[in-house]
Amino acid sequence: ERVMTQSPATLSVSPGERATLSCRASQSVSIHLAWYQQKPGQAPRLLIYGASTRATGIPARFSGSGSGTEFTLTISSLQSADFALYYCQQYNDWPLTFGGGTKVEIK
Amino acid sequence: EVQLLESGGGLVQPGRSLTLSCAASGFTFSSNAMNWVRQAPGKGLEWVSGISESGVTTHYADSVKGRFTISRDNSKNTLHLQMNSLRIEDTAVYYCAKGGGVAMTSWGQGTLVTVSS
Repeated sequence: ERVMTQSPATLSVSPGERATLSCRASQSVSIHLAWYQQKPGQAPRLLIYGASTRATGIPARFSGSGSGTEFTLTISSLQSADFALYYCQQYNDWPLTFGGGTKVEIK
Repeated sequence: EVQLLESGGGLVQPGRSLTLSCAASGFTFSSNAMNWVRQAPGKGLEWVSGISESGVTTHYADSVKGRFTISRDNSKNTLHLQMNSLRIEDTAVYYCAKGGGVAMTSWGQGTLVTVSS
């Protein structure tokens, strides 16, 4: 099973600043990596797939990078709507696995 | 517009069974693999099970293997999750999600399953 580790667990950022979230896989997942955003009481929403491709309707301030075992989600200029939980997920192999999440909170 | 509507959640005693359903619309259901993902209260996301477009191939997390069964009815655009021998640790919001073996592009709003005596 590929274990996904996200860091940091909590990220405190001021509006307008850049946020950088990390996700590490225990074994290579190639570029089969997705990022999701979840707000309280809501279902997750797909942000990024293929490690770097934005899903439909996702603003350009969200970008993903990486391959193999190291991945990054960058939010270039945080807006109020971006304060939420973020999860990475690998779909290279079964079982599908999620990281533990990073909470982006207002500083 | 893709819509996924889960139903069937509720309060159930440990050891009992429950079946969840997910009604899909707005896309060609039979052409898409599907998943169930759960989230225990205050916890992260846990993938539970996935099924291929035809229903022939299924996958399960070790935590539910042998107790849960995923199935689909492509004639009714419906996904199911039969949950047997439920445990307290199965308490969670259960989401159905479109896409299996790929990123999960659409999610339902979830249905809460509470396992308690």
